[in-house]
Amino acid sequence: ETGVTQTPRHLVMGMTNKKSLKCEQHLGHNAMYWYKQSAKKPLELMFVYNFKEQTENNSVPSRFSPECPNSSHLFLHLHTLQPEDSALYLCASSQERQPHTEAFFGQGTRLTVV
Amino acid sequence: KQEVTQIPAALSVPEGENLVLNCSFTDSAIYNLQWFRQDPGKGLTSLLLIQSSQREQTSGRLNASLDKSSGRSTLYIAASQPGDSATYLCAVKYTGNQFYFGTGTSLTVIP
Repeated sequence: ETGVTQTPRHLVMGMTNKKSLKCEQHLGHNAMYWYKQSAKKPLELMFVYNFKEQTENNSVPSRFSPECPNSSHLFLHLHTLQPEDSALYLCASSQERQPHTEAFFGQGTRLTVV
Repeated sequence: KQEVTQIPAALSVPEGENLVLNCSFTDSAIYNLQWFRQDPGKGLTSLLLIQSSQREQTSGRLNASLDKSSGRSTLYIAASQPGDSATYLCAVKYTGNQFYFGTGTSLTVIP
């Protein structure tokens, strides 16, 4: 266990469904991230939250909507997804503004859009 | 755009062999570099973190080196074991929040 917990681990959803991914970290970190990992491609940064404020949005389609209610929790709300959105979604956290900025990842949510 | 390249994409070695994985990056003004291990369908496990001011870090059978001027890092695995089979990813961090990842090296250690 890395201290970053993601739920659910697996999710199958239809293109008209609405679902949410959850990430929780117990490391006292102040930055949280959503990454998308597709086959044969590098991890793609989707969103970054620093002290609960969104600081990065890498041109992610609006069908992905992040929410960070506090520094320990991060959600990714999904609606009207496409089959090409099927991927492993990874959450990470780190303690920014420290010399030792190490990223810790959760186990990921394997999303399949049918 | 920052680019991180990992060579080789796949590697297969017999058990007990020492091996080196390579990571190169285009912009040498890095903040730190981190090596991860990923098992199939799982998340990333942090192996080693090297700060920009450091040349290498060691943890058990793993040794990571950093040469900023040439834009390279290597991960050395000594006396490889079948349990080392996984995908190894390097990630480079610059100022700001983003980590830039390579596509990884898929390692298979044959018993």
